[in-house]
Amino acid sequence: DTGVSQDPRHKITKRGQNVTFRCDPISEHNRLYWYRQTLGQGPEFLTYFQNEAQLEKSRLLSDRFSAERPKGSFSTLEIQRTEQGDSAMYLCASIRARTGAGYTFGSGTRLTVV
Amino acid sequence: KQEVTQIPAALSVPEGENLVLNCSFTDSAIYNLQWFRQDPGKGLTSLLLIQSSQREQTSGRLNASLDKSSGRSTLYIAASQPGDSATYLCAVQGEETSGSRLTFGEGTQLTVNP
Repeated sequence: DTGVSQDPRHKITKRGQNVTFRCDPISEHNRLYWYRQTLGQGPEFLTYFQNEAQLEKSRLLSDRFSAERPKGSFSTLEIQRTEQGDSAMYLCASIRARTGAGYTFGSGTRLTVV
Repeated sequence: KQEVTQIPAALSVPEGENLVLNCSFTDSAIYNLQWFRQDPGKGLTSLLLIQSSQREQTSGRLNASLDKSSGRSTLYIAASQPGDSATYLCAVQGEETSGSRLTFGEGTQLTVNP
């Protein structure tokens, strides 16, 4: 297993366009998390899945954001009608719950909205 | 609500110096604490994980300690090298009732000068 994979690495989009990011977690990890990080700040929690169920969403996740994890494997994060304030690094992480093991993060997707 | 603070925000040291990064958190009901390294524009690399029942963990030149009751952790880096230059993030993992989400500090930006 090569770890957590995120695609694309970079995305530049025009304001108002829709974008979708993908995350492939470590295969035996049943929990998948999305975080957002703006410049100079620590990552902030957006949402998480246990298997295919989305169990919690942060207030940061406005109606323009939607996340899915069909079949409990990879996950997608879609942002509709992007705004300049959406420019950030979007990080995905996975863990196997209740094992005491730490998080493994992907390399992130850097979104720039122009 | 858990809050994590890291001091200092930035640190510049000459090569070979030993240094300490500090992390404090407001809610002692944590599952574990994880230290990460982040290079500019990159994802997070896990350095050390300390379970809530543990006092410290060591990996090579890195040593992390945890005092859960006082809400503090330190990351000690021995004999610093220019390759250690990066941002170091402290993150506390909540218990199952909070979905085991991570709460991050804003990081310490470390520069090691040759």
